[in-house]
Amino acid sequence: DAEITQSPRHKITETGRQVTLACHQTWNHNNMFWYRQDLGHGLRLIHYSYGVQDTNKGEVSDGYSVSRSNTEDLPLTLESAASSQTSVYFCASSDNLDNEQFFGPGTRLTVL
Amino acid sequence: QKEVEQDPGPLSVPEGAIVSLNCTYSNSAFQYFMWYRQYSRKGPELLMYTYSSGNKEDGRFTAQVDKSSKYISLFIRDSQPSDSATYLCAMSSLGAQKLVFGQGTRLTINP
Repeated sequence: DAEITQSPRHKITETGRQVTLACHQTWNHNNMFWYRQDLGHGLRLIHYSYGVQDTNKGEVSDGYSVSRSNTEDLPLTLESAASSQTSVYFCASSDNLDNEQFFGPGTRLTVL
Repeated sequence: QKEVEQDPGPLSVPEGAIVSLNCTYSNSAFQYFMWYRQYSRKGPELLMYTYSSGNKEDGRFTAQVDKSSKYISLFIRDSQPSDSATYLCAMSSLGAQKLVFGQGTRLTINP
């Protein structure tokens, strides 16, 4: 069965370190998205991609970057982790037929 | 002002009650309206999907869209403890792949 996976599921890191969160989907979807979820804010879009080599900034992109070298993967990099980036991160994907997004299980990141 | 507003709750009701969850929005270009359900420590899953105005029913769940009032609702009939979750509304405009989410409402159904 097609799926979307995220790794690691839990990560503790220190302020200033570079961190990369992985997202892999086997749906063969063109569109991929990264969100963060915090109490009181719901899901906020960080970056998104509509295809290979395409990346776009979302509403909370500062301090994050993504790259899309193939259809299946969209890794999210925190350039220099900050305590304000402690959150739960979700990856999602969708195709171009409709805009239903399928979500991964999430990565819980703690920055100390 | 946020594009999509949703009362975060929490909302606690007894088993068997009718639950009403709501979102308001400001962008008149929104055409697609969704409700996602998220269980604790899981990713959101699509529950209901409606296009433009009107009602859609699926078992115990009914989604309503009133575009004139910029207001959407999700009704849960005969609520069950297994319905305890966070419910997020989401919307997009025609041709857009990006979704705009509400803050989510945390719902607890008490046996």
